Amino acid sequence: NAGVMQNPRHLVRRRGQEARLRCSPMKGHSHVYWYRQLPEEGLKFMVYLQKENIIDESGMPKERFSAEFPKEGPSILRIQQVVRGDSAAYFCASSPRRTSTDTQYFGPGTRLTVL
Amino acid sequence: AQTVTQSQPEMSVQEAETVTLSCTYDTSESDYYLFWYKQPPSRQMILVIRQEAYKQQNATENRFSVNFQKAAKSFSLKISDSQLGDAAMYFCAYRIISGTYKYIFGTGTRLKVLA
Repeated sequence: NAGVMQNPRHLVRRRGQEARLRCSPMKGHSHVYWYRQLPEEGLKFMVYLQKENIIDESGMPKERFSAEFPKEGPSILRIQQVVRGDSAAYFCASSPRRTSTDTQYFGPGTRLTVL
Repeated sequence: AQTVTQSQPEMSVQEAETVTLSCTYDTSESDYYLFWYKQPPSRQMILVIRQEAYKQQNATENRFSVNFQKAAKSFSLKISDSQLGDAAMYFCAYRIISGTYKYIFGTGTRLKVLA
């Protein structure tokens, strides 16, 4: 039973380029959360998605960041025109349902480096 | 707003000894979940232990146990018989029991295990 998959594990971009981070939730999970971890900090919530719906994007920066979770395929976190401050580890977590008892299972993260 | 505070940036423990990591949180909710996650150098987030706020009994998982003091809003992690493999960053996390169930993380405690 594969866990949460994220790719790529490492991504290097130059300032101004686009970064696309992918997350495949665990089998049977239809809820995805994205978190960002800046160096030497804890994880910060960005966005919560269900299939084809954004439920809570209160942690997303207002510009350049977007997320989707289509009916088929992985969830995508997209960062346009990256800047050095976007360098961080981005984690995806999934859960089977939206209930209070469900633990979120984390992927291994994507480390984004902006040159 | 809910907050999670880990006041110990770094802790050291001798192999086979016991160490306690501190965590306090602030919330006006009466029902919630608390978690400890371990993040080794691989950066994978690994669930160590989980506590439901409505349960008075402290959670235990093998060598890991918690001291949950709901009135004091304290949730410490005790690691007994420490092993070299326990060396990692440890994050305390809080999850609301309503709404989107996003996690709120503390800033982490780096645990060093000395041989």
